[in-house]
Amino acid sequence: QVQLQQSGAELVKPGSSVKISCKASGYTFTSYDMHWIKQQPGNGLEWIGWIYPGNGNTKYNQKFNGKATLTADKSSSTAYMQLSSLTSEDSAVYFCARERFAYWGQGTLVTVSS
Amino acid sequence: DIQMTQSPSSLSASLGDRVTITCRASQDIGNYLTWFQQKPGKSPRRMIYGATNLAAGVPSRFSGSRSGSDYSLTISSLESEDVADYHCLQSIQYPHTFGSGTKLEIK
Repeated sequence: QVQLQQSGAELVKPGSSVKISCKASGYTFTSYDMHWIKQQPGNGLEWIGWIYPGNGNTKYNQKFNGKATLTADKSSSTAYMQLSSLTSEDSAVYFCARERFAYWGQGTLVTVSS
Repeated sequence: DIQMTQSPSSLSASLGDRVTITCRASQDIGNYLTWFQQKPGKSPRRMIYGATNLAAGVPSRFSGSRSGSDYSLTISSLESEDVADYHCLQSIQYPHTFGSGTKLEIK
């Protein structure tokens, strides 16, 4: 069965970076896009971008250019998202979701606080 | 960017009621519309894809429809387990954009 297992909650300082992971299992990792989505407390969902692990191609929401960097490691079937220059506006739950959004990770809470 | 205007933002209905949530697209999105259910502290669950297709394992009381640029999610007979937030998503154009969400509660 398809599973997406995300890394645990992060408490990080303003101005720093964080890298969260999404480990895929139950399917051929290199054959499907992996999307990333942001959800701030009490807010709706925001699409960040996707990566195609087969060749590393990416597509970003321009709003997250320079903020989010998507990578994938084929050897471990893991997708990563690095968030840089963190501010309080980056405090949110971040989800990974497989192509067509049928499968989602459990979410990773990132809290930016000094 | 394509704007997805979702309404209502919140909805209170009685058990057994017919409930409809709507998203209006600011541009043509064809049938590239997905509906999600999200319960507190959980990940979104895909309910409807391609505007009208029921996702696997979703109860048949859920349905999706389209009228022009208006897309609707309907629950034919509300059950207690349907209490959740509902979101729509357009995926025809980048960036993909979500509606602002609807909070569904039991009256």
